[in-house]
Amino acid sequence: AQSVTQPDIHITVSEGASLELRCNYSYGATPYLFWYVQSPGQGLQLLLKYFSGDTLVQGIKGFEAEFKRSQSSFNLRKPSVHWSDAAEYFCAVGSALNFGNEKLTFGTGTRLTIIP
Amino acid sequence: SQTIHQWPATLVQPVGSPLSLECTVEGTSNPNLYWYRQAAGRGLQLLFYSVGIGQISSEVPQNLSASRPQDRQFILSSKKLLLSDSGFYLCAWRSGGDRRDEQFFGPGTRLTVL
Repeated sequence: AQSVTQPDIHITVSEGASLELRCNYSYGATPYLFWYVQSPGQGLQLLLKYFSGDTLVQGIKGFEAEFKRSQSSFNLRKPSVHWSDAAEYFCAVGSALNFGNEKLTFGTGTRLTIIP
Repeated sequence: SQTIHQWPATLVQPVGSPLSLECTVEGTSNPNLYWYRQAAGRGLQLLFYSVGIGQISSEVPQNLSASRPQDRQFILSSKKLLLSDSGFYLCAWRSGGDRRDEQFFGPGTRLTVL
């Protein structure tokens, strides 16, 4: 069965510093991978996704992620964080359901705090 | 544009009481619909999904049930809540057919069972 591990429960970085959030997955086939962000009191918003092709994926809000098959990882990065990036970040792996449907299996999330 | 609504936003219920959470989607037709739950310290877990009216698939056995009485309405229910039902419930939708289509999430309902 598929699974996602986000080893960092909470990360604190200074505004303007670089960021890397770790994600490791377990899936028997070629994975579809996603990063979502959840701001307080709000639903999840898709940051970026990987299906195939270029292993470096660009997303919204200046985020990018790199798929490394050999390490089963899909780490999220941003070169310079802004105070508005404070949120909870979820990595997910997609797997096929019936009827051409898709199931997302999420990690436990990483809470990001930004300090001035 | 499409929007997804969930209500209530928060709910506190005693153990043994019934539950009904509602999710509606606007601006699309025949969406795939999903219910997820996020328990404390755990990732989001898929509970149910639906590809059409009256078609419900359950991912995990539990104390909950789901129904889809209309094309864009998805309801999560329980006859008797357990303490372990506490959590954050998220509804999501996506257009059908292509696994690469994005799932869009609602704002969620925080349920506390006392």
